[in-house]
Amino acid sequence: GDSVTQMEGPVTLSEEAFLTINCTYTATGYPSLFWYVQYPGEGLQLLLKATKADDKGSNKGFEATYRKETTSFHLEKGSVQVSDSAVYFCALTGGGSNYKLTFGKGTLLTVNP
Amino acid sequence: GAVVSQHPSWVICKSGTSVKIECRSLDFQATTMFWYRQFPKQSLMLMATSNEGSKATYEQGVEKDKFLINHASLTLSTLTVTSAHPEDSSFYICSAVLARTDTQYFGPGTRLTVL
Repeated sequence: GDSVTQMEGPVTLSEEAFLTINCTYTATGYPSLFWYVQYPGEGLQLLLKATKADDKGSNKGFEATYRKETTSFHLEKGSVQVSDSAVYFCALTGGGSNYKLTFGKGTLLTVNP
Repeated sequence: GAVVSQHPSWVICKSGTSVKIECRSLDFQATTMFWYRQFPKQSLMLMATSNEGSKATYEQGVEKDKFLINHASLTLSTLTVTSAHPEDSSFYICSAVLARTDTQYFGPGTRLTVL
């Protein structure tokens, strides 16, 4: 079945540091890939997505590129802020009319001033 | 756009009572909604898929008689936790699929505490 593996946290960075959260996946077919962010006590917010190979999703300074050859969708940000502290989930859907999300376990990011 | 709300945001109830949680897509129609449960510091666990006008599809191990799901309209799905017990205490999150995409938009969650 489909699966998502993301780097385990927690990740602690200083403000303005570079962020990478690794995510790799296993899927049949042509999945769509997502990054969601969850702030404490809240639901998930869609951060970015990519629907086909070589697509780059971007939002709020975050980027991730759909790499089919390495089955990866790593999340990056050039300069993190304290407000980026949250849990980040990598996820995929199977494509087509299969809307079910398969989630990674989540990575807790803490950014210190 | 693509805003999903949940009500209530938190609820405390006594053991043995039933609790209803509403999930609404505010600015779009959703034929498919999902219900998740999340334990502290863990990922989301899919409970069921809710399709408008048909019965919900439950994941393995989820008691359908305990967690009643009704998707009565294209903008509303409800989850009723029947005869709640302390072990049902959790954070419940819904999501709705934006039509013509495969993207789920999530509600803010409902924290249920059963005393």
